[in-house]
Amino acid sequence: DSGVTQTPKHLITATGQRVTLRCSPRSGDLSVYWYQQSLDQGLQFLIQYYNGEERAKGNILERFSAQQFPDLHSELNLSSLELGDSALYFCASSVTSGGYNEQFFGPGTRLTVL
Amino acid sequence: QKEVEQDPGPLSVPEGAIVSLNCTYSNSAFQYFMWYRQYSRKGPELLMYTYSSGNKEDGRFTAQVDKSSKYISLCIRDSQPSDSATYLCAMSGATGAGSYQLTFGKGTKLSVIP
Repeated sequence: DSGVTQTPKHLITATGQRVTLRCSPRSGDLSVYWYQQSLDQGLQFLIQYYNGEERAKGNILERFSAQQFPDLHSELNLSSLELGDSALYFCASSVTSGGYNEQFFGPGTRLTVL
Repeated sequence: QKEVEQDPGPLSVPEGAIVSLNCTYSNSAFQYFMWYRQYSRKGPELLMYTYSSGNKEDGRFTAQVDKSSKYISLCIRDSQPSDSATYLCAMSGATGAGSYQLTFGKGTKLSVIP
């Protein structure tokens, strides 16, 4: 158990809908990262937050957004869902943002868009 | 060309075999090199971490980094059925924003047959 929790574990929804994925980082970790894992693209970085502020953006679609709250949990919002958004979404956390910090991954949320 | 290339396999070996996994990359800014192990339906977990060029050994696992060739490898000795998993190489380096998000290879699926 990494100490990172993600809810829900599974999500099944229809095209055009909006969903929210939630992540609670390990106690003491200030940095939260979101990744998307699909069969064709592998594991890809979406966005990072550090202590409530957006720190870096990767291959995140405009239909997707995220935020980190004062208690450091984070939410990833996916809207106008398409079939191609079906994937595993992982959250990871680390103590800080600079240099090397081990990122601990949560168990993931499996999103299926029908 | 993707930033990180990794042969997806699958790779099937008998128990006790020596397994060699590798990745190549194109981004010279990468400074930190990692191998993650991902069991089916689980989040990735850190297996080995190496900073810059060199070797690192941990039990049955040896990680090597050759920055001049932009090549990293993971060697597993005396492979066990419990090593059956997907192995992901990952790399990071400073971005302009001071973030160190991970860039992953697509992963190699390994099966160790008893």
